[in-house]
Amino acid sequence: EPEVTQTPSHQVTQMGQEVILRCVPISNHLYFYWYRQILGQKVEFLVSFYNNEISEKSEIFDDQFSVERPDGSNFTLKIRSTKLEDSAMYFCASSPQTLNTEAFFGQGTRLTVV
Amino acid sequence: AQSVAQPEDQVNVAEGNPLTVKCTYSVSGNPYLFWYVQYPNRGLQFLLKYITGDNLVKGSYGFEAEFNKSQTSFHLKKPSALVSDSALYFCAVRDNYGQNFVFGPGTRLSVLP
Repeated sequence: EPEVTQTPSHQVTQMGQEVILRCVPISNHLYFYWYRQILGQKVEFLVSFYNNEISEKSEIFDDQFSVERPDGSNFTLKIRSTKLEDSAMYFCASSPQTLNTEAFFGQGTRLTVV
Repeated sequence: AQSVAQPEDQVNVAEGNPLTVKCTYSVSGNPYLFWYVQYPNRGLQFLLKYITGDNLVKGSYGFEAEFNKSQTSFHLKKPSALVSDSALYFCAVRDNYGQNFVFGPGTRLSVLP
């Protein structure tokens, strides 16, 4: 069964450093998302991506964040100048074109900023 | 703007008893409603969805949910709980104007043996 894969599973970084979280969405999906979850709490929307551009973003997704689909298969989230409060579980998800379908989530990347 | 409420942070139920996890929503337009489950240190796993049609939808692992338009609710149910159902449950909504999924705060279900 196809699945969304994320790497790395755990990333530890120094405050102020840049990190890139990687995702491989399901191959025939067209909508891609990043969500984050702090300490097993609420799942917060960061950004959605469609047709090679950002379609929606939340207030969390400020200039510190960027997304890219560099090669037609990978979907990356870059966090510049990480802060302690960026420590969270980051989930990538993808869904097919139609709006009435569910999103498929990866297993997440746990980011720890020290 | 879309929003989802899950009024209970925690639900405890004895194994073999029926369980209900509550969800209410607010959207403009027609709602597309989803339930996800999260086991410890894992991603979100899809359980079931309501798009249109019958108000009672059936999903994975014996779960079902009832859509109630007048009460804007989409409660998750299971007739007989298992200890292995213990997890964090999230309700989510998507409307036909937006693309992202908006999640509720989650309800931790504990099924006691």
